Amino acid sequence: GAVVSQHPSWVICKSGTSVKIECRSLDFQATTMFWYRQFPKQSLMLMATSNEGSKATYEQGVEKDKFLINHASLTLSTLTVTSAHPEDSSFYICSASGLATRRYNEQFFGPGTRLTVL
Amino acid sequence: AQSVAQPEDQVNVAEGNPLTVKCTYSVSGNPYLFWYVQYPNRGLQFLLKYITGDNLVKGSYGFEAEFNKSQTSFHLKKPSALVSDSALYFCAVRDTGAGSYQLTFGKGTKLSVIP
Repeated sequence: GAVVSQHPSWVICKSGTSVKIECRSLDFQATTMFWYRQFPKQSLMLMATSNEGSKATYEQGVEKDKFLINHASLTLSTLTVTSAHPEDSSFYICSASGLATRRYNEQFFGPGTRLTVL
Repeated sequence: AQSVAQPEDQVNVAEGNPLTVKCTYSVSGNPYLFWYVQYPNRGLQFLLKYITGDNLVKGSYGFEAEFNKSQTSFHLKKPSALVSDSALYFCAVRDTGAGSYQLTFGKGTKLSVIP
């Protein structure tokens, strides 16, 4: 149990276009979802925390108008990179936590999405 | 504020030898501590966690970690390294005094097991 999926696993897009990444909790209700960004050979940087039905809380330095996060249901959160530019190319990872899971102290991570902006 | 330090960017160990990947932390409340492993272009895989109870925690793939409150450390260990253990390892902490699920990650340690 406690499986998180991400779609797509990789995406290549042209500069100026928008890209949507989905994060789904497959077998539990995710009251909280997190979005991370990881640069090559670096650690995970928390971008934002979203609670179902409310606005996301963005970390300092993360542009909320560029990285739109929606957490409309207990099993789905989306990250939309608007007007993507090459510097947005990165590995994006989501994670989910839920009070209903027995292991509520944990975050469960998705497999990540590799975004390349040309 | 919570923080995690992984002092070694890279650890090299010969196959069959014991390995240690170091982690120290700083929190205001009690810590929940985690180790994750990441293979190239993959997400994080959970290895083990410390929440409460025994200081020695056993996890997946033969890994274990020891919680040391006085030294604020949570080093990852394995008695006999395998080539397949070569990967990037992240230590993470959640501060129970912070009232959220937020994790803070160390910068990661690249483990290379030499055949």
